Amino acid sequence: NAGVMQNPRHLVRRRGQEARLRCSPMKGHSHVYWYRQLPEEGLKFMVYLQKENIIDESGMPKERFSAEFPKEGPSILRIQQVVRGDSAAYFCASSPVQVLNEKLFFGSGTQLSVL
Amino acid sequence: GQQLNQSPQSMFIQEGEDVSMNCTSSSIFNTWLWYKQDPGEGPVLLIALYKAGELTSNGRLTAQFGITRKDSFLNISASIPSDVGIYFCAGSGLIQGAQKLVFGQGTRLTINP
Repeated sequence: NAGVMQNPRHLVRRRGQEARLRCSPMKGHSHVYWYRQLPEEGLKFMVYLQKENIIDESGMPKERFSAEFPKEGPSILRIQQVVRGDSAAYFCASSPVQVLNEKLFFGSGTQLSVL
Repeated sequence: GQQLNQSPQSMFIQEGEDVSMNCTSSSIFNTWLWYKQDPGEGPVLLIALYKAGELTSNGRLTAQFGITRKDSFLNISASIPSDVGIYFCAGSGLIQGAQKLVFGQGTRLTINP
């Protein structure tokens, strides 16, 4: 049973470029959550998606950030025109149901570095 | 935004010592979770707590869900080198009309052999 797969593990972008982070949930999981972690801090909620639907994007910056979870394929977190402050670890988590408990599994994250 | 206060921020202990860390919140949660994060990896769940007053063990780890539902602690007994890492508490509950998971700032555990 493959776990939550995120790629790439490391992504380097120059200021102004676009960053695309991918997350394939565990098999059978239709709920995906994205979190951001700054150095020395905990994880901060960004967005919660189900297949083809954004359920809660209250933690996502209004500009430059978008997320999708299409019917087929991985969930994508997209950051346009990246700035240095976007440098962080981005974690995806998936669950089979709409609850946040022991059924939530995290991927290994994508470390985004903006030069 | 919603915050959990986790303490201590860091701990430096000798191998074999017991460890205790806790989390407090101004809000009520219906689930408390404790995670461990190794460098370059995502958080891995250690213990989940669902009822006020619940005391749960997982090997050398013991965690409790506070009676007020606003706090939780995690104890590690007889620490070993592989316990090194960052431990996060997380509270799950209804926040502003939506089910959310809120994380503490983490406790970084360092063990001297």
